[in-house]
This record gives sequence, C-alpha cells and structure tokens, in this order.
Amino acid sequence: DAGVIQSPRHEVTEMGQEVTLRCKPISGHDYLFWYRQTMMRGLELLIYFNNNVPIDDSGMPEDRFSAKMPNASFSTLKIQPSEPRDSAVYFCASSWRVTGELFFGEGSRLTVL
Amino acid sequence: TQLLEQSPQFLSIQEGENLTVYCNSSSVFSSLQWYRQEPGEGPVLLVTVVTGGEVKKLKRLTFQFGDARKDSSLHITAAQPGDTGLYLCAGDPGGTSYGKLTFGQGTILTVHP
Repeated sequence: DAGVIQSPRHEVTEMGQEVTLRCKPISGHDYLFWYRQTMMRGLELLIYFNNNVPIDDSGMPEDRFSAKMPNASFSTLKIQPSEPRDSAVYFCASSWRVTGELFFGEGSRLTVL
Repeated sequence: TQLLEQSPQFLSIQEGENLTVYCNSSSVFSSLQWYRQEPGEGPVLLVTVVTGGEVKKLKRLTFQFGDARKDSSLHITAAQPGDTGLYLCAGDPGGTSYGKLTFGQGTILTVHP
C-alpha cells in the first residue's frame, strides 16, 4: 500500500490567501484525522472523520478553518484567509477501527508570510 | 482534557549510552502508544501497551506501562545514531481504540557518534 498521501509537501503563501491541503488515506481505513504540529503546542488534533462523516471538529481553531471528506479516498483542509500564526506542519492520518494504529502522512509544511 | 507529560524534553547522549524517556498523566488511559518521528516525516508507531504493568521489547527498546495505566516509559539500551528522532507517547483516554489520541509534547533525542 502507498500509505497516506498528502499534498503539497510545502506551501508558502502570503497572509490573507486561501490554502488547501489534501489527503488520500490508506484504502480500507474508516477513520481520518487532521493534526497540526508546532514546536510550542506539539501535535494537536483538529478534526476527525468516520466513514467520511465529521465526528469532532472541536480542535479546529477558528471559522477560518474547514475540512471536508467528499469520499473515502480524499479529504481537504482549507484555511481562508490564512494568517502567519497558521504556520505549522499539518498531518493527515488514517486508521482502521479494529487496530487503532494511526498511519501518518509525511505532512504539509505551511508557511504564511 | 487528559494531558500526557513527557520528560525530558531534550536528550543529547553519546553512542552506546542508555536512556529512559518518561510519559506521565494524572488520568488513566486504556492504552498507550509510542511513536517515533524523523525530520520531514510523520510519526511512526513503535508499540502499543494495553495492560497495566505490561512490558514490551523491540530489539534495544523496552516499553513499560504503569500498573495504574497512568504512566509509561521507554528505555533504550546502547543507543545508536539511528535512534535519533522525536519520540512521542500517545494515549487513548476513552478506550475508543480507533485512533483518537492525546499526544505528549515529545522528547527530542540526539545520539552522537
């Protein structure tokens, strides 16, 4: 299996621009998670989906953040408008209910100038 | 919110030395996982401990889950430069077993040749 695939790997944008991060989970996994990692706060759960349905978005910092999962093989995390404090590495991870092991993608490093 | 505190935050040692990383909480976790993350990559699962008092070994790495299931430790024997990385503990507080985890802040380990 190819693992969790994220794009882009790196994104540099200016404050106020829209950013869209993409994720393809491992086939057959029924849970998908979006995490954000910074030096100050570590790994924070933003939102997770079960069978494409958003279950808990309490970690989404503001209304500027939104996430969708239109089908079992694709999810997006959108930030509009972006701000410098959104700079972080954003990870997508997927898991299968039976094992609970998280499989992470390589991350999308976002820099907002 | 159930927090996991890791110590030390940073560890810099010489090749061949032993080390222990601790993961503590005031809350009970149904299971604890340890992940290792290398620069530019996502975390990768090393082990899951489920039973209080459980000890698991993975080559030179020994993982222990506290009897009360509130703490865990990772011991590395004869560390090698290849062990360098960020070590994260993660707990499943609700016993959901599908991957919604609380992560510690991590321990950055550097092993010098």
